[in-house]
Amino acid sequence: SQQGEEDPQALSIQEGENATMNCSYKTSINNLQWYRQNSGRGLVHLILIRSNEREKHSGRLRVTLDTSKKSSSLLITASRAADTASYFCASVPGGGNKLTFGTGTQLKVEL
Amino acid sequence: SAVISQKPSRDICQRGTSLTIQCQVDSQVTMMFWYRQQPGQSLTLIATANQGSEATYESGFVIDKFPISRPNLTFSTLTVSNMSPEDSSIYLCSVQHTLAGPYNEQFFGPGTRLTVL
Repeated sequence: SQQGEEDPQALSIQEGENATMNCSYKTSINNLQWYRQNSGRGLVHLILIRSNEREKHSGRLRVTLDTSKKSSSLLITASRAADTASYFCASVPGGGNKLTFGTGTQLKVEL
Repeated sequence: SAVISQKPSRDICQRGTSLTIQCQVDSQVTMMFWYRQQPGQSLTLIATANQGSEATYESGFVIDKFPISRPNLTFSTLTVSNMSPEDSSIYLCSVQHTLAGPYNEQFFGPGTRLTVL
């Protein structure tokens, strides 16, 4: 399978803490994207980082990319209960436009 | 961005029957995709829906089981044929605007939750 892996599979933190999720992928990429899914519903695009970028920020989100290790991380700072969701990374190979999703991390933010 | 609707939002079906899922986008898009998400799992691409031609299927998915139509740039259907309980999943369509370049984000519909008894 070409599916990427994410860890941890599940993460439970207190509101206000930071949450870090890691993603590994298998092939060379054009870009890597992060998505959020609430309760088995549709996915919401969070952020896209291109292969020539190493770090990107969007609000409380910080994404890093290490192409030499074929890995990425998503950091959510000052988490809120509303951040409770599943988070998926998805890689886009060079020369293609298909998303290959990682296994996902279930984040639970408790009050 | 794009606003995507799917019908039905959920259904419970009997084994051996077929269900057609509709995906409607509020603007013309170049690329449309269909994904399957089995319970507790990640998303797997079923096929790329091509406007005016046959869909492009991923390994492990075949047209006889998952026929797809895309009559225009804003609409597509996925049929799950001769269903079995193993087909119980969430089915999601997604779209991508490629006019700004092919390597950008996809926008997802709300999904169709299918249960096969």
